[in-house]
Amino acid sequence: KQEVTQIPAALSVPEGENLVLNCSFTDSAIYNLQWFRQDPGKGLTSLLLIQSSQREQTSGRLNASLDKSSGRSTLYIAASQPGDSATYLCAVRPINAGNMLTFGGGTRLMVKP
Amino acid sequence: NAGVTQTPKFQVLKTGQSMTLQCAQDMNHNSMYWYRQDPGMGLRLIYYSASEGTTDKGEVPNGYNVSRLNKREFSLRLESAAPSQTSVYFCASSAGRNYNSPLHFGNGTRLTVT
Repeated sequence: KQEVTQIPAALSVPEGENLVLNCSFTDSAIYNLQWFRQDPGKGLTSLLLIQSSQREQTSGRLNASLDKSSGRSTLYIAASQPGDSATYLCAVRPINAGNMLTFGGGTRLMVKP
Repeated sequence: NAGVTQTPKFQVLKTGQSMTLQCAQDMNHNSMYWYRQDPGMGLRLIYYSASEGTTDKGEVPNGYNVSRLNKREFSLRLESAAPSQTSVYFCASSAGRNYNSPLHFGNGTRLTVT
């Protein structure tokens, strides 16, 4: 069974720092990996989707990488801002169950002014 | 841009009562999903509809039923609510043309069963 782990569960950094969030998964047979952001009391907002054939995707200050063979993805946030404070979740779409995404538990990020 | 709209936002039920959670999307997406989010358990798939006219069970379907009313709407029904169904429920959709379409989520329904 696919398992997705995000470490650390919580992270606090000062404004302006570059930071990396980690996501690991146990089964490399995936279609893609997606990163989401969730603000308190809100739904999930899709940030980046990396297909299994891709190594990375970029959007603004965000860069996500995927190393399928080692079962790892990272989300890099450059020049962090207080507005980046949220919970970040990753999810993989497994090849053997394409409609059943498996989510990690999330990393709760706080960026202090 | 409305995206995925869920109603109601909050609901309190007594054990044994029934209710239907409504979800509608205006992105002409083929696939729709219902998830529940619980502390320490993460997001778990309840049911999904890969296309209009089809529904399938997810990871935790017991105690729930769904209806894909048309391409836009996908409802989740609790026939006899139990305290274990206290959770935050999210509806999501994706274009569904292939598995590389991103998921778009609604803002959730916070359900408490007493």
